[in-house]
Amino acid sequence: DQQVKQNSPSLSVQEGRISILNCDYTNSMFDYFLWYKKYPAEGPTFLISISSIKDKNEDGRFTVFLNKSAKHLSLHIVPSQPGDSAVYFCAASAGGPVGAGSYQLTFGKGTKLSVIP
Amino acid sequence: ETGVTQTPRHLVMGMTNKKSLKCEQHLGHNAMYWYKQSAKKPLELMFVYNFKEQTENNSVPSRFSPECPNSSHLFLHLHTLQPEDSALYLCASSQELWAPETQYFGPGTRLLVL
Repeated sequence: DQQVKQNSPSLSVQEGRISILNCDYTNSMFDYFLWYKKYPAEGPTFLISISSIKDKNEDGRFTVFLNKSAKHLSLHIVPSQPGDSAVYFCAASAGGPVGAGSYQLTFGKGTKLSVIP
Repeated sequence: ETGVTQTPRHLVMGMTNKKSLKCEQHLGHNAMYWYKQSAKKPLELMFVYNFKEQTENNSVPSRFSPECPNSSHLFLHLHTLQPEDSALYLCASSQELWAPETQYFGPGTRLLVL
């Protein structure tokens, strides 16, 4: 059973508009969430993260929102640019950013974002 | 080269073959990981090494055999694989164990088992 779900396999957005990528999780032990971005023929790269003690984290054009009661997080990209076209993976762990023990990441299947010029 | 490199980038093998995937990181990291991404499935952690010692084996079948001779190199030895093992195999490294924000991924090896 998938613990991290990205229910939209793909999303198309016009350049300059907002892109909203969604992610739901089922494991209430998860307390740290990350978004990775993956271009074709490259490995995923870390984009932005959020700890469960926050409900929002912003980095430039990228903002992640966390709704713990709904077990839902979203990534907002505004304004969207053609270079943002990639697959975006949501990931979660139960151990915070750095810690002892097994804090492996659980990934979603990814959402392919296409930003149309 | 910089970052995390993986060879080969593509591999086709029969079920009776033996092959190895290689990963090399030039970042001075201490932890290395093997992940598997099958079609229509999420990325799944297979093995973790920290300072050359294996710390995690996520119930991976014995036909996959990892080897970490030093902190910069990680191998995945493959033998008698099944067609369902066809997937993208990604290697990653991080300065400290787990440290997800600093986990750098290689481009992956696309494996097809016939």
